Amino acid sequence: GAVVSQHPSWVICKSGTSVKIECRSLDFQATTMFWYRQFPKQSLMLMATSNEGSKATYEQGVEKDKFLINHASLTLSTLTVTSAHPEDSSFYICSAVGPRDSSSYEQYFGPGTRLTVT
Amino acid sequence: GEDVEQSLFLSVREGDSSVINCTYTDSSSTYLYWYKQEPGAGLQLLTYIFSNMDMKQDQRLTVLLNKKDKHLSLRIADTQTGDSAIYFCAESTYTDKLIFGTGTRLQVFP
Repeated sequence: GAVVSQHPSWVICKSGTSVKIECRSLDFQATTMFWYRQFPKQSLMLMATSNEGSKATYEQGVEKDKFLINHASLTLSTLTVTSAHPEDSSFYICSAVGPRDSSSYEQYFGPGTRLTVT
Repeated sequence: GEDVEQSLFLSVREGDSSVINCTYTDSSSTYLYWYKQEPGAGLQLLTYIFSNMDMKQDQRLTVLLNKKDKHLSLRIADTQTGDSAIYFCAESTYTDKLIFGTGTRLQVFP
């Protein structure tokens, strides 16, 4: 099956610094990738939709200047948390839209990146 | 906006059946999904159902959809300790955007 990786799997950074998280589709081309955020014991909240070669579409309430998304190729999207603060600490998960066929559809999820801001 | 609700917690004995319920509000949902998340990990798609179906069975998993009541359920037969995880239902329309439920933590005890 299709594989999506994320790097790093966990990161600790100091308040005020920026952190970049990569999401890669390893064996398929993903025209669309999604970024989600998950707080402990809570559901996944969609942050933004990332389309290759165009600007990301952000969900209501998500600061686009704080969470910079770049989808530079069909296999890579990056999320940069700028000037991170402790309240940005969370589990960030990406997904990529895989190949479609007539009978099924699936988003493939990465393993997640745990960000801790101290 | 769209809203997807689940009960927070379910505890079952090993070997029994588990039934996890989900309600949603978006009548234009096209696909409905069940995902499994183990601690500290990403999401694994378990199964999905198209909105014009009312039932789908896949080995130990049975999905029931009541479109009129906007109710989705996942039944796991012969529940095992390895099934302990958080289960999310999700819905989407043709836009690919997934709206997730609040998640149900399934605990299986011997």
